[in-house]
Amino acid sequence: DGGITQSPKYLFRKEGQNVTLSCEQNLNHDAMYWYRQDPGQGLRLIYYSQIVNDFQKGDIAEGYSVSREKKESFPLTVTSAQKNPTAFYLCASSILSTSGRGGEQFFGPGTRLTVL
Amino acid sequence: EDQVTQSPEALRLQEGESSSLNCSYTVSGLRGLFWYRQDPGKGPEFLFTLYSAGEEKEKERLKATLTKKESFLHITAPKPEDSATYLCAVLPGGSEKLVFGKGTKLTVNP
Repeated sequence: DGGITQSPKYLFRKEGQNVTLSCEQNLNHDAMYWYRQDPGQGLRLIYYSQIVNDFQKGDIAEGYSVSREKKESFPLTVTSAQKNPTAFYLCASSILSTSGRGGEQFFGPGTRLTVL
Repeated sequence: EDQVTQSPEALRLQEGESSSLNCSYTVSGLRGLFWYRQDPGKGPEFLFTLYSAGEEKEKERLKATLTKKESFLHITAPKPEDSATYLCAVLPGGSEKLVFGKGTKLTVNP
């Protein structure tokens, strides 16, 4: 089955720790995205990548870092510099909509991060 | 600034009571409008893409329509399993970044 997997489903972090969230896709999509979802705030873009070894900051990149060493993988690290990391984190992927169509993003099941 | 506003924030329906959810948008050069369904604790599930005014898409009890300023998600004879948060997003021209609304939480009572 083609799809997007995220792990772990639940993650607990102590103050001052860095943690890494995994995202893998086997849809052969070029673009991948990380979002943060908080109650009442909708989805906010953290980082995105359209090609291997390249990525761009989204709207709320401070305190986060990413890498894109393989097309299939786009891990997100939540660093100790992120002041309020408790949230639901969603990874998505899409084809690049160069033809004017497409653009749909497909989401993974999410990781809920809680800071203790 | 590109913006998406969804209304109402929450909607309660009785089973079989049809209604519509609204997604109003302001965007520079709309390339596509997307509807998603999200169940609690899960990732959004893709429903529809609409590209131009007048376009309609249907899936089971759901029908999405698009005008130049807004989109509607019509729910006909809903069932309790249709209860979820419905998200709307737009893709502006020249961008690969979706702009999301905050969603409408739909509850269908048996």
